[in-house]
Amino acid sequence: GESVGLHLPTLSVQEGDNSIINCAYSNSASDYFIWYKQESGKGPQFIIDIRSNMDKRQGQRVTVLLNKTVKHLSLQIAATQPGDSAVYFCAENWAGGTSYGKLTFGQGTILTVHP
Amino acid sequence: NAGVTQTPKFQVLKTGQSMTLQCAQDMNHNSMYWYRQDPGMGLRLIYYSASEGTTDKGEVPNGYNVSRLNKREFSLRLESAAPSQTSVYFCASSDPRVGEQFFGPGTRLTVL
Repeated sequence: GESVGLHLPTLSVQEGDNSIINCAYSNSASDYFIWYKQESGKGPQFIIDIRSNMDKRQGQRVTVLLNKTVKHLSLQIAATQPGDSAVYFCAENWAGGTSYGKLTFGQGTILTVHP
Repeated sequence: NAGVTQTPKFQVLKTGQSMTLQCAQDMNHNSMYWYRQDPGMGLRLIYYSASEGTTDKGEVPNGYNVSRLNKREFSLRLESAAPSQTSVYFCASSDPRVGEQFFGPGTRLTVL
């Protein structure tokens, strides 16, 4: 199977609990942030994004919080389900003028949801 | 729309062999990227192409070459494969006005 994540931080929760995954980003000039979900054997999939002019954004069962003062990003998953089990990555980007360039990815967190 | 497609899905090479990983996107994106993903290392950028006709090195370019064949296609070539290149390779594309990158399903490469 997929061997990604042998040394990544892990979070284990029970089905139905809320999950919070944290991420510290590095570039104070970053103005766009994304959370990706990566299931075993698949490519990263977009979950939610937020721009630096916001501090909170909500999607379906997910909320992203941005604290620019301490350069911290969090992903909250409500009523976590076994299908949410995956590796979660945060990523930051910077428009640097008129266009976005390379994403910088965080280390990733393994979320395991127990039935 | 297929999004980002990659071929092959799996490949086993012997040390010293060469191969090309193919990537195509149908979203009319200007920017394309090649990443590798190793256990515990997250995603590391190998090469990227900000627009058709341009390519630039990323974090880990050694041992690789790329070609931006046209706006849709971006290939990654290993000229002389080494065991250290055993990894999962992901291609991605993006509209540079937006920031989000869309990923392909990956190629799992093993070099013996």
